[in-house]
Amino acid sequence: NAGVTQTPKFRILKIGQSMTLQCAQDMNHNYMYWYRQDPGMGLKLIYYSVGAGITDKGEVPNGYNVSRSTTEDFPLRLELAAPSQTSVYFCASSSWDRKGGGYTFGSGTRLTVV
Amino acid sequence: AQSVTQLGSHVSVSEGALVLLRCNYSSSVPPYLFWYVQYPNQGLQLLLKYTSAATLVKGINGFEAEFKKSETSFHLTKPSAHMSDAAEYFCAVSVATGNQFYFGTGTSLTVIP
Repeated sequence: NAGVTQTPKFRILKIGQSMTLQCAQDMNHNYMYWYRQDPGMGLKLIYYSVGAGITDKGEVPNGYNVSRSTTEDFPLRLELAAPSQTSVYFCASSSWDRKGGGYTFGSGTRLTVV
Repeated sequence: AQSVTQLGSHVSVSEGALVLLRCNYSSSVPPYLFWYVQYPNQGLQLLLKYTSAATLVKGINGFEAEFKKSETSFHLTKPSAHMSDAAEYFCAVSVATGNQFYFGTGTSLTVIP
């Protein structure tokens, strides 16, 4: 089982460029999430999805877009990259039941905008 | 609204000493509580979770945490620290099926030989 797979692992972007961070899970989880992690700030939720075709904003959605056309994939799009988007991005998925669940995280994408 | 406060952004312990990482939560309804560990350049891994069953929860690698409603706390402990425990630890809270998690700002654990 691969779990949650994120690509690429590292990327350097120039200001104003665009890119898509890929996230795929093979656990048939309904829920998927994108977080960014900045030093001393913990994890901040960017967007999340409760199923194919359904997405919603998290705490820090500005400058990002998502789509969820399949259960497996949840790509994160950065349009017009800015230095403030330099961060480590984590994708996660979960399958919640009444006993409670937990996230399965990908290994992260380290993005630098210069 | 839910929130998590982790007291101490950096904790250092000697190898073999007790590990205590503090987490306090705020929630208007019964919470689900989690501890995650992050090793350098890796994603987060679930250590343990509290989901309204036993208040003392045992996790992987010898860690455990106790849910104390009266203190709104969910502190993480390990009787004897090992060098391999050096990592970043995050406490998180959630309250409903499918809801998002709220993470603390993390505690970096250093283990001194």
